Amino acid sequence: TLKESGPVLVKPTETLTLTCTVSGFSLSDARMGVSWIRQPPGKALEWLAHIFSNDESSYSTSLKSRLTISRDTSRSQVVLIMTDMDPVDTATYYCARIFRGFDIWGQGTTVTISS
Amino acid sequence: EIVLTQSPGILSLSPGERATLSCRASQSVAGAYLAWYQQKPGQAPRLLIYGTSSRAAGIPDRFSGSGSGTDFTLTINRLEPEDFAVYYCQQYGSSPLFTFGPGTKVDI
Repeated sequence: TLKESGPVLVKPTETLTLTCTVSGFSLSDARMGVSWIRQPPGKALEWLAHIFSNDESSYSTSLKSRLTISRDTSRSQVVLIMTDMDPVDTATYYCARIFRGFDIWGQGTTVTISS
Repeated sequence: EIVLTQSPGILSLSPGERATLSCRASQSVAGAYLAWYQQKPGQAPRLLIYGTSSRAAGIPDRFSGSGSGTDFTLTINRLEPEDFAVYYCQQYGSSPLFTFGPGTKVDI
């Protein structure tokens, strides 16, 4: 399973830190990786960032300058940091495991950007 | 940068009918790494199809995927009431690493 955690409300210009805690598999498993994906209300899914089992990472082209993904294998956690938050970043943020597609998703955490 | 387009935006059908959903890529999808997801309101997406045509674990065989290159299709035979949802295609491996399509809503 995967479970997201983080703040519900963030002010504009602040930095968002989200944590994905995984269980039932290892972040070091070479067959798998973990991505962050978001979905604004009523809109489509948007991929944000991915971390591989070898600790390499990949980012959305449009958001790359604002994103950092990292992992703590000992805690089975993947962390996403997103800077300079704006109201348009209001969304449900999901973490998901990639293994033959995104086969396991967290329940999502809704983040609202508002002053 | 690869872009996915899905059509139609909304598909209005009745239970028992067949649904045919299209996903078109702006360039060839590397290694046929094309997946389909189903999402119902208030829920996380669920993986249906990976590698263009392989069903994920527990997915009924009324769901099937096909295609190659830039054109892919999700077919749902004999729609069940629980199949009315939004469906997304997603590619893996091209630049950017992952891309989702805008979705097709299958409506009653």
